[in-house]
Amino acid sequence: EDQVTQSPEALRLQEGESSSLNCSYTVSGLRGLFWYRQDPGKGPEFLFTLYSAGEEKEKERLKATLTKKESFLHITAPKPEDSATYLCAVPGGSNYKLTFGKGTLLTVNP
Amino acid sequence: KAGVTQTPRYLIKTRGQQVTLSCSPISGHRSVSWYQQTPGQGLQFLFEYFSETQRNKGNFPGRFSGRQFSNSRSEMNVSTLELGDSALYLCASTRTSRETQYFGPGTRLLVL
Repeated sequence: EDQVTQSPEALRLQEGESSSLNCSYTVSGLRGLFWYRQDPGKGPEFLFTLYSAGEEKEKERLKATLTKKESFLHITAPKPEDSATYLCAVPGGSNYKLTFGKGTLLTVNP
Repeated sequence: KAGVTQTPRYLIKTRGQQVTLSCSPISGHRSVSWYQQTPGQGLQFLFEYFSETQRNKGNFPGRFSGRQFSNSRSEMNVSTLELGDSALYLCASTRTSRETQYFGPGTRLLVL
């Protein structure tokens, strides 16, 4: 059974203080890894898809990287508006049944 | 391009009742998946529909069911509601099952 573990559960940063979120996974065959951002009371917003070890993708202050066992979401010089829950997920089976981690709640203080 | 829409956004029901939630996917998307999100369990997969056929199902009791119409709109139904069914119900759509899933805003269900 696919498993996704995210750490830390919660992270509090000062504005401008860079850090990384971790997503470790166990799957029978990686078909991709997804990162989403979720604001309170809203649906997850797609950020990145990574398909192979060594792949990196960037968007504004966020950079996602992938190894054979885990993915990192690096946040450079975060701003308060980056505060959200960040979720990672992997697809399983022959169809896209996403298995999600529990998420990391990021709070960026001004 | 309009995103995924879900109706209603909020619902309050009592135990034993049933509820139907609706999801309209992004235009051109044929795959619709449903997820339940709770603080304790996080996001859990319910089922996926593609071209009106359920192709994948998660580990939920038979009280949870769904269907998809020819225009790709989908509904999910929960019968005999229990307190533990209180959750945010999310649907996501993709053009095919092998592409990124885009989520709607969710329906917040409270069972009293």
